[in-house]
Amino acid sequence: DIQMTQSPSSLSASVGDRVTITCRASQSISNSLNWYQQKPGKAPNLLIFAASNLQSGVPSRFSGSGSGTDFTLTINSLHPEDFATYFCQQSYSSFVTFGPGTKVDIK
Amino acid sequence: EVQLLESGGDLVQPGGSLRLSCAASGFTFSNYAMTWVRQAPGKGLEWVASIGSDAGTTYYADSVKGRFTISRDNSKNTLYLQMNSLRAEDTAVYYCANYYCTISNCYRNYDHWGQGGLVTVSS
Repeated sequence: DIQMTQSPSSLSASVGDRVTITCRASQSISNSLNWYQQKPGKAPNLLIFAASNLQSGVPSRFSGSGSGTDFTLTINSLHPEDFATYFCQQSYSSFVTFGPGTKVDIK
Repeated sequence: EVQLLESGGDLVQPGGSLRLSCAASGFTFSNYAMTWVRQAPGKGLEWVASIGSDAGTTYYADSVKGRFTISRDNSKNTLYLQMNSLRAEDTAVYYCANYYCTISNCYRNYDHWGQGGLVTVSS
């Protein structure tokens, strides 16, 4: 199976900050990497698909980059509603795997 | 509007069985592959199983292989997860989601999820 790691596991930030989360795959997954946001008690919400494509309806302050094994999710100018947990997911293999998550909370 | 509604979650004893259902609407169910993803309390997301649009292909995580069975009834627009030999570590919220496959590729980015069904395995 393809293993996914994320860093950091948590971070504290302020409204207006720029935040970067990294995700690494244990083998090359081309651009088959998706990012989700999850708030407590809710289902995950797709933000970015195929590494850098913004899902419809997602604010443009979210962006993704990377290919191969290393990927990043960037949130420009953090909004109050962005405090949540973020997961990466590889969709390269039929055996999907998720990263362990990065919790973004208020400093 | 795409809607996915899980049902069947419950408290069950270790070693017991349970069947989850996911009722789909708002899209042509028979054209989409489906998947189950679970989340243990306070933990991350874990993919459980997937099934092709015609039920011709199924995939399972090692943690559930041999114990869980994913199936679908396209005439009822419903996805199922039969869970046998349940363990405490299967305690989680179970989500269903859809995704699209062409002949050559599957797009396993899940943009529609159900609200989740809680399965608790405890004596």
